[in-house]
Amino acid sequence: DTAVSQTPKYLVTQMGNDKSIKCEQNLGHDTMYWYKQDSKKFLKIMFSYNNKELIINETVPNRFSPKSPDKAHLNLHINSLELGDSAVYFCASSHPQRGLETQYFGPGTRLLVL
Amino acid sequence: ELKVEQNPLFLSMQEGKNYTIYCNYSTTSDRLYWYRQDPGKSLESLFVLLSNGAVKQEGRLMASLDTKARLSTLHITAAVHDLSATYFCAVDGDKLSFGAGTTVTVRA
Repeated sequence: DTAVSQTPKYLVTQMGNDKSIKCEQNLGHDTMYWYKQDSKKFLKIMFSYNNKELIINETVPNRFSPKSPDKAHLNLHINSLELGDSAVYFCASSHPQRGLETQYFGPGTRLLVL
Repeated sequence: ELKVEQNPLFLSMQEGKNYTIYCNYSTTSDRLYWYRQDPGKSLESLFVLLSNGAVKQEGRLMASLDTKARLSTLHITAAVHDLSATYFCAVDGDKLSFGAGTTVTVRA
């Protein structure tokens, strides 16, 4: 009965490779997000989708491309991985109704680029 | 751009004593969230504060929001070891902006 799930949980790869992270939520939420948490625990939003439509696109290298096939899924594809991409990537989802906007976070994907 | 500042960034608590974490933010918002993150884990929602003067309590934790001062506090009463974690406040502007986190360690 996992609310927000991500795969894989761990990803170790070489510089220059292309990788994808998948996220699924079964909460019936309309909005999904990708966050990056760096080694100092700082959290920064990368993207947000509402009903499959991109609504937030922060200053992120265009090597990062989100895709939302439906409102329950938001995937993140990363091209030409760099050392600085090493971080924990969290997917989250929320309901747009006022009072219910708490974001629910997935378990995170720990990406290490060698 | 909305800036969110937490202090302190590190807090060593003694069991049984009371402490407060502060969260200041730079622009008007009436939606503030507190999250907890255990090492190597995800973020868990603690409180949602949606109006000026909002106060929420759960166990030894109490959060309050003063939108006029742009300040939220997370008060910890009689700290216990289980409260060791990193606590984040997050403020909703056009997107959710997080503070840097307060890493809490509770010692005997």
